[in-house]
Amino acid sequence: DTEVTQTPKHLVMGMTNKKSLKCEQHMGHRAMYWYKQKAKKPPELMFVYSYEKLSINESVPSRFSPECPNSSLLNLHLHALQPEDSALYLCASSQDLPGFFPQHFGDGTRLSIL
Amino acid sequence: QKEVEQDPGPLSVPEGAIVSLNCTYSNSAFQYFMWYRQYSRKGPELLMYTYSSGNKEDGRFTAQVDKSSKYISLFIRDSQPSDSATYLCAMVKTSGSRLTFGEGTQLTVNP
Repeated sequence: DTEVTQTPKHLVMGMTNKKSLKCEQHMGHRAMYWYKQKAKKPPELMFVYSYEKLSINESVPSRFSPECPNSSLLNLHLHALQPEDSALYLCASSQDLPGFFPQHFGDGTRLSIL
Repeated sequence: QKEVEQDPGPLSVPEGAIVSLNCTYSNSAFQYFMWYRQYSRKGPELLMYTYSSGNKEDGRFTAQVDKSSKYISLFIRDSQPSDSATYLCAMVKTSGSRLTFGEGTQLTVNP
């Protein structure tokens, strides 16, 4: 079992729906990340939070809206998604932001857009 | 040209074989190196993490880094069917926080 918990595991939504993905870690990590992974490809970075503040946005479309309510939780709000947004969405955390702290991943939410 | 190159395979070996997985990189700014294992429908699991040239061993796994050649390897001894997964190398630059991944190598260990 991973120490980064993501819910839901699967999500099917229409293009007009609004939904949220949730991520939780209790390792005391201060950096949290959202990644998108397409089949047979490595994860692609979307957002980075450090000490609950958005640190990096990799030019992600505004239909994806991240939120970090506290140091243990990370949300990704979804609205008006496109079929090409269907993918595995991974959350990760690390002790702190500098790269010498390795990142630990959750098992992801598999998202399908109808 | 990609900053990190990894042969995607697929790689198929018999049970008990020694497996060698490799990545090369082009930017000497990469200083921290990781290997992740990803089973189908799961997230990447951190296997090994190292930041210095040389070998690091953990059970059946050995990570090797050669910074002069810009080359990293993961060796799996006495491979098991449960090792069948995709293996991703990843690295971070000195002053950065972004992971740069290889494309991943799909490994199958046949009983």
